[in-house]
Amino acid sequence: AQRVTQPEKLLSVFKGAPVELKCNYSYSGSPELFWYVQYSRQRLQLLLRHISRESIKGFTADLNKGETSFHLKKPFAQEEDSAMYYCALNNYGQNFVFGPGTRLSVLP
Amino acid sequence: KAGVTQTPRYLIKTRGQQVTLSCSPISGHRSVSWYQQTPGQGLQFLFEYFSETQRNKGNFPGRFSGRQFSNSRSEMNVSTLELGDSALYLCASSPAGGLVNTEAFFGQGTRLTVV
Repeated sequence: AQRVTQPEKLLSVFKGAPVELKCNYSYSGSPELFWYVQYSRQRLQLLLRHISRESIKGFTADLNKGETSFHLKKPFAQEEDSAMYYCALNNYGQNFVFGPGTRLSVLP
Repeated sequence: KAGVTQTPRYLIKTRGQQVTLSCSPISGHRSVSWYQQTPGQGLQFLFEYFSETQRNKGNFPGRFSGRQFSNSRSEMNVSTLELGDSALYLCASSPAGGLVNTEAFFGQGTRLTVV
């Protein structure tokens, strides 16, 4: 069965510190993975997708098939990065399987 | 272009009642999915509609149902409401079904409170 895990419910870092939000998955096929973000009082929105290999707002994520991971990283956290982050797996284009989410709090 | 619109934004219902939530996808999007978001369970997939057909369904009881109209607008219905149905219900639309790596665009949700 498809499953996405995010071991940290809450992650607190100081401004300027590196941040890594962990995501592991289990999936029988070739995975398509995403990170979604939900800022306070805003709708859930796409942050990045693994196939694009892009950096958005300084965040990057690399798919590691051997470790079945898709960790989200940023070298220098900013206060405006504080939000809820969800790792998600696309289930053959029909629906997303979301992880439980990690609340990132960037302290001044 | 306009985003995904969900109505109403807030609802308060009593146990045993039924409720209908509405979702208007982005123009041109044919796939609409529904999710339930709660603090304890996170985001859970309810069902997905594509071209008026339910194509995929999550693990929710039959009290949860939905439909999609020819203009791609979708409704979700919950009958015999229980206290545990209190949640934020999110709708997401995508351009076309069956395509992986397609971004889902989310609405702001309908917050349902069952008392």
